[in-house]
Amino acid sequence: DQQVKQNSPSLSVQEGRISILNCDYTNSMFDYFLWYKKYPAEGPTFLISISSIKDKNEDGRFTVFLNKSAKHLSLHIVPSQPGDSAVYFCAASSNFGNEKLTFGTGTRLTIIP
Amino acid sequence: DVKVTQSSRYLVKRTGEKVFLECVQDMDHENMFWYRQDPGLGLRLIYFSYDVKMKEKGDIPEGYSVSREKKERFSLILESASTNQTSMYLCASSFDRVYYEQYFGPGTRLTVT
Repeated sequence: DQQVKQNSPSLSVQEGRISILNCDYTNSMFDYFLWYKKYPAEGPTFLISISSIKDKNEDGRFTVFLNKSAKHLSLHIVPSQPGDSAVYFCAASSNFGNEKLTFGTGTRLTIIP
Repeated sequence: DVKVTQSSRYLVKRTGEKVFLECVQDMDHENMFWYRQDPGLGLRLIYFSYDVKMKEKGDIPEGYSVSREKKERFSLILESASTNQTSMYLCASSFDRVYYEQYFGPGTRLTVT
């Protein structure tokens, strides 16, 4: 049972445009969400997180939006740069009985110069 | 900066061999995790530990065991390696259980022949 879903395995975006990566979850107990970025042959690196008490969190070019009623979060990257080409994973956790991160399957983002 | 190191980047083992994957973190984190990453499946949690000598099963613990004798070191053991354990293995650590990001090592690409 995939509790965190990233339905787009891949996404291509022109350099300078906005990249939007989406993530859906099914467990209503999740209350903390994170995005990780992974280059080939490297471990994932933390990008940005959001608590369920917020609906938006911004850090430079990266903004995460959370829609709790839809159980949906998205990562916006503006403007997209070639170095953003990587696999992006969303992850979720809960303080109630599931104290671990549950990851999505990842979306491969390719920025076209 | 948090540093998580893994003993090998690439490893080739034969079916039936006992395999040890070592992970060391230098930030005095309480929590350590072992994941495997497979194409189309994202990151799946194998085992985690919230304290020395303590371990808890993740989502896919079958065929694996772990050891945490010291706070900074968390070992993953494949008692009898099988070809379906060919994968990328990622170690992570975190300061807190839920509301803190996990920091990942570079990964070990294990091939079992």
